[in-house]
Amino acid sequence: DTGVSQDPRHKITKRGQNVTFRCDPISEHNRLYWYRQTLGQGPEFLTYFQNEAQLEKSRLLSDRFSAERPKGSFSTLEIQRTEQGDSAMYLCASSRTAPSHNSPLHFGNGTRLTVT
Amino acid sequence: DQQVKQNSPSLSVQEGRISILNCDYTNSMFDYFLWYKKYPAEGPTFLISISSIKDKNEDGRFTVFLNKSAKHLSLHIVPSQPGDSAVYFCAASENSGGSNYKLTFGKGTLLTVNP
Repeated sequence: DTGVSQDPRHKITKRGQNVTFRCDPISEHNRLYWYRQTLGQGPEFLTYFQNEAQLEKSRLLSDRFSAERPKGSFSTLEIQRTEQGDSAMYLCASSRTAPSHNSPLHFGNGTRLTVT
Repeated sequence: DQQVKQNSPSLSVQEGRISILNCDYTNSMFDYFLWYKKYPAEGPTFLISISSIKDKNEDGRFTVFLNKSAKHLSLHIVPSQPGDSAVYFCAASENSGGSNYKLTFGKGTLLTVNP
């Protein structure tokens, strides 16, 4: 169990630029989640994949955001035309089955995005 | 609309004493509750969970209590250790309502355990 890996750890970009983050889940986990955490808040759900299928998207995910999980392995989250309000920690998590005591969400260390 | 509320932003306790972290929720459809711990520059780490069919779950020094009628849960840490100093998040989901993939988190409570 090598844990959930996220890359990059930090990203500073100028407003209007596009950014892409990568998440590698724990290898046997078929469920993958993206959350966003802003200062002073708890993580907020963005989207969820079961294998390669994106099954749910939060209304927080505007049309500037797109997430993919080709082949049901790693996932990417792209933000187009970044805005200062996109500055946050983007957390990826994975689980073997639906979240439960025996299958909790395992989070990565996140990608901190700063939009200047 | 904050469906999971942690009304204490911070808590400070002495090493060896009990830490009690509280959480309230408003959505009566929530039936599965979790606590996560988060150190700076790291992602949240799962600590303990409880299903709504139980009122208590214990794992070592950590016990979670659920009071469904009051829509309240609490995490007890006994005895508290300096390494427990972290932000603790309460989270909930609707496991039997078809939304078992989505956790709703509170804002967190910063616990400081003083030596």
